[in-house]
Formats: sequence, structure tokens, C-alpha cells
Amino acid sequence: DAMVIQNPRYQVTQFGKPVTLSCSQTLNHNVMYWYQQKSSQAPKLLFHYYDKDFNNEADTPDNFQSRRPNTSFCFLDIRSPGLGDAAMYLCATSRGLEVGEETQYFGPGTRLLVL
Amino acid sequence: DAKTTQPTSMDCAEGRAANLPCNHSTISGNEYVYWYRQIHSQGPQYIIHGLKNNETNEMASLIITEDRKSSTLILPHATLRDTAVYYCIVRVASNSGYALNFGKGTSLLVTP
Repeated sequence: DAMVIQNPRYQVTQFGKPVTLSCSQTLNHNVMYWYQQKSSQAPKLLFHYYDKDFNNEADTPDNFQSRRPNTSFCFLDIRSPGLGDAAMYLCATSRGLEVGEETQYFGPGTRLLVL
Repeated sequence: DAKTTQPTSMDCAEGRAANLPCNHSTISGNEYVYWYRQIHSQGPQYIIHGLKNNETNEMASLIITEDRKSSTLILPHATLRDTAVYYCIVRVASNSGYALNFGKGTSLLVTP
């Protein structure tokens, strides 16, 4: 089945130690998104890629970076994780950004714990 | 950007219809209403969307009022697996693309 895959499901890192979260998709969608969801809060968009075009949300901290080496894969890099970055990180995809294409399909998420 | 208002929580008996309301009184003419849900510890799941006509798919029905200021998501025969947070979202354009503004959602509890 076509899907959005996130590995690992749980990630533990140390305060200040860089960490990378992975997302892959078999849907061949043009757009990939990264959301952050803290406990008891709604998901919040960090950034998205339309093909190789990177779009950062205005309030996304500089500590968060992303890479999309090809259509299928997208990575979230946290350069110096702080305790406040502990959260569920959700990857999503959509065919496009226009009406009729913008339905987003989410992966299961990676829960990040910062010690 | 149009905002949405949903009840914080609702209960529904298993097998009965679950009717989840959403107010979006400032919606503009070209904005769609989307519904997603999030089961605990899972990623959000798309349910349905509409502009002004009522819509139905294998998961749910979406009823949009004629003035488009409110809508209702209907799960016709709720099951225990439908327990989740349901988000009513009006599609907005952020300064860098199209963000889903999830809001607080409605926590639906389906009981045996």
C-alpha cells in the first residue's frame, strides 16, 4: 500500500546533540511537510517542500532544518535540541498545493525525547 | 483567515450517529472546509472536505449550511475505533504555502 513512513517511531537524544528524523513516501507526491506536535496541542507546521523548493514557516526556529534529497525522502534536522523540542514530529505529503491536490496524508510520527 | 469553533468534547454511543458541529462564520467564498481526525498516538487522518455542497464518502458525510457559516461532520454508525480528536479546518494560505491550521478540535469519545 502507498504510504508515508517515518523512522524511527521513537527517538531519544541528548540535550544539544544533533538529531535527524526521517520520512519517506511511496505516494510520489510533490509536497512534503513537517509538523511539530507538543503534548495536548494541535500539530504546527514547521516547513514544507514543493519538489525541491523549500518553504519555511515564519516562526520556525533556526534550530530546525530540512533536506529533501529526492522525491521520496525528506529529513528533519534539529541542530541543537533543547528540552522544549521534545514532541511528536509528523511528516505529511500532498500531491500539490492547489484545490483538489492539497489533501495531506500523514505518517505515524516520530516521538522525540530530549534528555 | 477564517477561524473555526468546535465543542471541546462530545460523547456518542457505539452504533449511533456522531454529529460533530463546526462554526466558521468568517469563511470566504473560495475557502474549503476540511475535516481530519487524530487517533491517540497516530498521525492525523484526512476524512472529507467540501466547498458548499454536501459531501459523502466511505468514512463520513459533510453537511454545509447554505450560508457556509457552519458545517456538521456525520459518522453514521460510530464505532469504538472512531474515538479521536476531530479537527475542522478551513484551508488557509500561509506566507509560505498552505498550512493546515488544526485548532483545538473536538475530542469524540465513543462508548460501548
